Amino acid sequence: DAKTTQPPSMDCAEGRAANLPCNHSTISGNEYVYWYRQIHSQGPQYIIHGLKNNETNEMASLIITEDRKSSTLILPHATLRDTAVYYCIVRGSNSGNTPLVFGKGTRLSVIA
Amino acid sequence: SQTIHQWPATLVQPVGSPLSLECTVEGTSNPNLYWYRQAAGRGLQLLFYSIGIGQISSEVPQNLSASRPQDRQFILSSKKLLLSDSGFYLCAWSWDNEKLFFGSGTQLSVL
Repeated sequence: DAKTTQPPSMDCAEGRAANLPCNHSTISGNEYVYWYRQIHSQGPQYIIHGLKNNETNEMASLIITEDRKSSTLILPHATLRDTAVYYCIVRGSNSGNTPLVFGKGTRLSVIA
Repeated sequence: SQTIHQWPATLVQPVGSPLSLECTVEGTSNPNLYWYRQAAGRGLQLLFYSIGIGQISSEVPQNLSASRPQDRQFILSSKKLLLSDSGFYLCAWSWDNEKLFFGSGTQLSVL
């Protein structure tokens, strides 16, 4: 699975959009981009995933560049409860039983 | 709906004592099961995963072992705990190794 690079930390004002970047320049054609988040003292929570088209659900939007070498997770109106570590993971559809590997993620702090 | 139960929530154990953490999943059959550990201030490390009863894959050599005696039960064990075993232990399940559903975790302190 391709490696991902994320900034270690970011701040966002409450009510504003939080845009979390992820670089995955070695991504291959069959690899998906997954986003999870981990609120302090809890297990990670699945947010969204995508292959090449932009995706949106009730939690967030995922924007993947045309060359697929980077992506951005967007929380449209960040709240204090969105303070968490956000993990970007790339995994191939043919990875079979290989589990997800979590990196260090981005620590997002939403500030009132 | 599916639920995952993990206990205890917190545990304080002396060095050299045994360990047994249990995780059970309800509402599904033949799930993939995982144990992850998160040391203080560090990332999430995969310890073990299982695709079926009695099938355990170990990701890192260590002082721990895992067993899956029943389809929806995953147990993490140690015969003798080390100080370095302290951390936040998370159990998870999945159908497809892509969307993982995590338990609430066990905070283990080895003193």
